[in-house]
Amino acid sequence: QKEVEQDPGPLSVPEGAIVSLNCTYSNSAFQYFMWYRQYSRKGPELLMYTYSSGNKEDGRFTAQVDKSSKYISLFIRDSQPSDSATYLCAMSGRNTGGFKTIFGAGTRLFVKA
Amino acid sequence: ETGVTQTPRHLVMGMTNKKSLKCEQHLGHNAMYWYKQSAKKPLELMFVYNFKEQTENNSVPSRFSPECPNSSHLFLHLHTLQPEDSALYLCASSQAGGGNQPQHFGDGTRLSIL
Repeated sequence: QKEVEQDPGPLSVPEGAIVSLNCTYSNSAFQYFMWYRQYSRKGPELLMYTYSSGNKEDGRFTAQVDKSSKYISLFIRDSQPSDSATYLCAMSGRNTGGFKTIFGAGTRLFVKA
Repeated sequence: ETGVTQTPRHLVMGMTNKKSLKCEQHLGHNAMYWYKQSAKKPLELMFVYNFKEQTENNSVPSRFSPECPNSSHLFLHLHTLQPEDSALYLCASSQAGGGNQPQHFGDGTRLSIL
């Protein structure tokens, strides 16, 4: 079983739709959860950073963490064509010898005008 | 200055060449990382430096040789690479080497091995 599972997509939605992106994980030691956005020919850009379970909102973006289900989500409201990118989930926690950060493979999102 | 700058952006080299990738961060961070990103695969951590000391080598072949002269600069020296080494190489930095600090990435070097 992979430590982090993320549907690669592609996910195609019309402009204005609510987008839901998800990751599941297997390691209960993960405590910090991140979402990155990566445009073509660019590096990953940190979007959201949360600790433990709960919700965090930033503008049109909401990150949700459910540690009991080992499931994290990123919601994008009123999606725009400029949101078209690959979204990577990441999580970190204490491992033998220190902290470990694991990334999902990314979900490719297309928002059609 | 952008936070994390990588040069060159693109590199094409033969299997017998020697080249170096450069990364510079302007965020005042103390930890720096090299990752390999291949299509449709998760980021693969290669090396971690914390306060200029290498703290992790993720079983990377010796044809990749990192160098961290100070907390702001990181190099990846390449020699005798293989075609399967073609990928996007990303540099990242964080406040400290602990995983509770988010990493900030550069735009990568796209490496093609002929």
